[in-house]
Amino acid sequence: DGGITQSPKYLFRKEGQNVTLSCEQNLNHDAMYWYRQDPGQGLRLIYYSQIVNDFQKGDIAEGYSVSREKKESFPLTVTSAQKNPTAFYLCASSIGPGNTIYFGEGSWLTVV
Amino acid sequence: AQSVTQLDSQVPVFEEAPVELRCNYSSSVSVYLFWYVQYPNQGLQLLLKYLSGSTLVKGINGFEAEFNKSQTSFHLRKPSVHISDTAEYFCAVIEKSGNTPLVFGKGTRLSVIA
Repeated sequence: DGGITQSPKYLFRKEGQNVTLSCEQNLNHDAMYWYRQDPGQGLRLIYYSQIVNDFQKGDIAEGYSVSREKKESFPLTVTSAQKNPTAFYLCASSIGPGNTIYFGEGSWLTVV
Repeated sequence: AQSVTQLDSQVPVFEEAPVELRCNYSSSVSVYLFWYVQYPNQGLQLLLKYLSGSTLVKGINGFEAEFNKSQTSFHLRKPSVHISDTAEYFCAVIEKSGNTPLVFGKGTRLSVIA
């Protein structure tokens, strides 16, 4: 089946540790995105990539890093510099800029 | 840059009643418009989208939305809701040029009451 797979679904980490969230798609989409969701704030864009080996900062990139070494993969690292990392993280992809975006099932990150 | 305002953060409605979820957008250029639905602990699912043509767009689960360019609105409607429609609904906008990513509103939580 084609789709976007995020893992893990639930992740707990201690404060000060870096953590990497995985996102893989087999839709042959060029563009990939990471959003953060907090209650009452909707979705905020962290990073996006329109093509392999290229990515741009979104509205809330501070404390996060990404890589796009393969078309199908766009992992997100939440670093210790991110002040409030506990949130629901959503990965998405589209054929290209301006096209419909499709979402994965999301990953819950809790930092204690 | 474009922006999206969802005018109601929560909408309670009785089962089988009609519902309208309001969405207004702001943009200096032509845009595409979307509605997504999110069930608890899940990702977002596309309900419908307006790209061009007829201003009345029909989507999944009996929902429809009307694009009104003069009022810069894209309200979502359903004539008769079910318990299973209880979810969070997000309106989103993107420039037709694709130069900027999709921008979301803050969401409207629809609660259907039996």
